Amino acid sequence: EVQLVESGGGLVQPGRSLRLSCAASGFTFDDYAMHWVRQAPGKGLEWVSGISWNSGSIGYADSVKGRFTISRDNAKNSLYLQMNSLRAEDTALYYCAKAYRYSVAEVYFDYWGQGTLVTVSS
Amino acid sequence: EIVLTQSPGTLSLSPGERATLSCRASQSVSSSYLAWYQQKPGQAPRLLIYGASSRATGIPDRFSGSGSGTDFTLTISRLEPEDFAVYYCQQYGSSPKTFGQGTKLEIK
Repeated sequence: EVQLVESGGGLVQPGRSLRLSCAASGFTFDDYAMHWVRQAPGKGLEWVSGISWNSGSIGYADSVKGRFTISRDNAKNSLYLQMNSLRAEDTALYYCAKAYRYSVAEVYFDYWGQGTLVTVSS
Repeated sequence: EIVLTQSPGTLSLSPGERATLSCRASQSVSSSYLAWYQQKPGQAPRLLIYGASSRATGIPDRFSGSGSGTDFTLTISRLEPEDFAVYYCQQYGSSPKTFGQGTKLEIK
């Protein structure tokens, strides 16, 4: 059974940093691209970032480019999102999502974690 | 960036009825790279349809997707009580991947 468990969310002041983690199990982690998708309270879904199976291809939404960094550790079956210079508009539930294949581009998400909540407020 | 517009915003129907949800793209979605997700309160999204018309593993056949180019439809043939939720479309043919704003399917 595929499991994706996010952690690392919390309350943080504007301008500060936070690192999210996603622990994956139930599938061969290094065969698949992984992504972060967020959902602001009461709002829709927004793709944030994605990383290919071997970290060779990475993409970011314009809203987070230059502030967020995605990475993965295939030996630990883990995905990360380093979030710097956080803003109030980054407040959201952050989901870890598995792509259906190895690449960042042209993929839908076949499994999702339950999310970790990030609140940016002073 | 491709903007996806879903309609209606809210759809009120009764169990047993047929639901038709629309997703319109601001430009053509390449290779029909369109997916549909279902999200219930407090839960993560669940993949229903990919490639515009292929059902994901374990999805009942009352769910079907159709369309191409800029116009796509999710149809639920006979609504079950567990189908009342929010539905999102997503295009993944162009970067960035984008989602529609969602259609809330509520019990009438």
